[in-house]
Amino acid sequence: NAGVMQNPRHLVRRRGQEARLRCSPMKGHSHVYWYRQLPEEGLKFMVYLQKENIIDESGMPKERFSAEFPKEGPSILRIQQVVRGDSAAYFCASSRDRGHYGYTFGSGTRLTVV
Amino acid sequence: ELKVEQNPLFLSMQEGKNYTIYCNYSTTSDRLYWYRQDPGKSLESLFVLLSNGAVKQEGRLMASLDTKARLSTLHITAAVHDLSATYFCAVDMNRGGADGLTFGKGTHLIIQP
Repeated sequence: NAGVMQNPRHLVRRRGQEARLRCSPMKGHSHVYWYRQLPEEGLKFMVYLQKENIIDESGMPKERFSAEFPKEGPSILRIQQVVRGDSAAYFCASSRDRGHYGYTFGSGTRLTVV
Repeated sequence: ELKVEQNPLFLSMQEGKNYTIYCNYSTTSDRLYWYRQDPGKSLESLFVLLSNGAVKQEGRLMASLDTKARLSTLHITAAVHDLSATYFCAVDMNRGGADGLTFGKGTHLIIQP
């Protein structure tokens, strides 16, 4: 079992470019969650998705950020026109049955905006 | 809004000593989680606590949950250097069908020989 796979591990973007972060959940998991971690902080919930549906995006900034989880393929977190403040570690987690059996986290993508 | 507070945020202790990390949360929740994070790494699940009075132990770590007090503790017994890491507690948001976790800020634990 490969666990939750995130790529890339590290991503450098210039201000104004787009960043695309990918997450493949564990086999058998249909619930995907994205979190952002700023230095020396805990993780902040961004969005919760199931296949082809956004269930809760209350933690997503209203502009420039979007997420999807298509029928086929990984979940994508997309950040348009990145700014320095977007620099952070972005973690994806997956679960079955909405977390009753716990959440498994991926290794994260560390985004640096220069 | 659910708030999760951990204390202490920083803890330096000597090997062989015992200590407790506290996690308070502000609203009713079904589940509480403890995670460990090493620098630059992902989160490793330590414990899932599902009910009032739950106590779980793994090696030198023991976690407990008091849902009435909205308090969880992570107790470290006879600390060893390998336990140096950041420890997070997290609570299920459990909001009208949408789930996800609210995290504390983490406790940076340094264990010195």
